[in-house]
Amino acid sequence: NAGVTQTPEFQVLKTGQSMTLQCAQDMNHEYMSWYRQDPGMGLRLIHYSVGAGITDQGEVPNGYNVSRSTTEDFPLRLLSAAPSQTSVYFCASSYSGGEQPQHFGDGTRLSIL
Amino acid sequence: GESVGLHLPTLSVQEGDNSIINCAYSNSASDYFIWYKQESGKGPQFIIDIRSNMDKRQGQRVTVLLNKTVKHLSLQIAATQPGDSAVYFCAETAGAGSYQLTFGKGTKLSVIP
Repeated sequence: NAGVTQTPEFQVLKTGQSMTLQCAQDMNHEYMSWYRQDPGMGLRLIHYSVGAGITDQGEVPNGYNVSRSTTEDFPLRLLSAAPSQTSVYFCASSYSGGEQPQHFGDGTRLSIL
Repeated sequence: GESVGLHLPTLSVQEGDNSIINCAYSNSASDYFIWYKQESGKGPQFIIDIRSNMDKRQGQRVTVLLNKTVKHLSLQIAATQPGDSAVYFCAETAGAGSYQLTFGKGTKLSVIP
């Protein structure tokens, strides 16, 4: 198993551009989530999904969209990139959410100029 | 709002000594806690978890202690090794049935050879 795979590893965008961060897992996990990690802020939940076709907002959802058309994939879309979205983005998955440890990818390092 | 935090942002220990990383939480409804290790350039890696009906759980060289009376969580690492150098995060679920994991800001552990 590859676990949780995130692409790209690095990305630089200009303000106003849009892009999609990809996340895929091969563990047949129902629960997937996106976090952003900023210096001194820890990880904050952006959006999550408890299964295909179901998504919900986390702590910091503004400026991001998600969809979950398959169990394996959970892409995160930046609609119009802003410098405040410069961060490291992590995708995670777990068998059922709740009281199950989440497994993380190695992140996408995103800079918005 | 309620959050998870850490008492010490940095911790330096001599190789071979035991390490103790502390975490305070404020949500009395939290019922599941996890410790993660994050190495530079990598995603958080699951170390150990504990449910609120337990006060201690042991893994390989690691022990997690939970004191619900004072809402305190600790991670003990026995015989600390250079490979243990990383940032350690505690995290909690927001309550029974919640899918949202709330992270603390992290403690950096440096092991002195």
